[in-house]
Amino acid sequence: AQTVTQSQPEMSVQEAETVTLSCTYDTSESDYYLFWYKQPPSRQMILVIRQEAYKQQNATENRFSVNFQKAAKSFSLKISDSQLGDAAMYFCAYRTTMNYGGSQGNLIFGKGTKLSVKP
Amino acid sequence: KAGVTQTPRYLIKTRGQQVTLSCSPISGHRSVSWYQQTPGQGLQFLFEYFSETQRNKGNFPGRFSGRQFSNSRSEMNVSTLELGDSALYLCASSVGLSNEKLFFGSGTQLSVL
Repeated sequence: AQTVTQSQPEMSVQEAETVTLSCTYDTSESDYYLFWYKQPPSRQMILVIRQEAYKQQNATENRFSVNFQKAAKSFSLKISDSQLGDAAMYFCAYRTTMNYGGSQGNLIFGKGTKLSVKP
Repeated sequence: KAGVTQTPRYLIKTRGQQVTLSCSPISGHRSVSWYQQTPGQGLQFLFEYFSETQRNKGNFPGRFSGRQFSNSRSEMNVSTLELGDSALYLCASSVGLSNEKLFFGSGTQLSVL
């Protein structure tokens, strides 16, 4: 069974600085998707960035980028030029690409990292 | 385009009662998934529906059930509520089944007293 581990329950960053959130996962599959989701106090899960395992290139979305190390099963999120609005819970998630029984596969989440941004 | 709508936003029930939560996906989305979020267990997958058929189910007791209607709206039901069922229940929708991006609603916060 696949597992996702986020070892940092809480992180703090100064506004305008850079912070990296860690995520490791365990799987025997060779192809899969990895995600970072943000959950602000509004509770809605918002997709930050997505990485397909077969792609070597690290995904980037504006100030957000990932460091995907497939062999090490590591998937860290870097937030550059941190803003007050980045304060939230961040969840790393895994999803298989295999289509079992007509299912797209469910997300397997880590426990989350609470990010605080200091002005 | 409206996002994923979950109703109600908050719900208080007592042990032994049953509850029904509703999820309206984004227009055009045919796949709906449900997740339970608790401080202790984190986010756990409940069900996935596509074209009114349950495609996948998480490891939850039979008290948890769901369904999807022809307009893609989905409901989940929890019978014989227990204190441990207190959680945020999140619904997510996607266009189809081909590893599409999921869009989440803001959830229903269920408190069982």
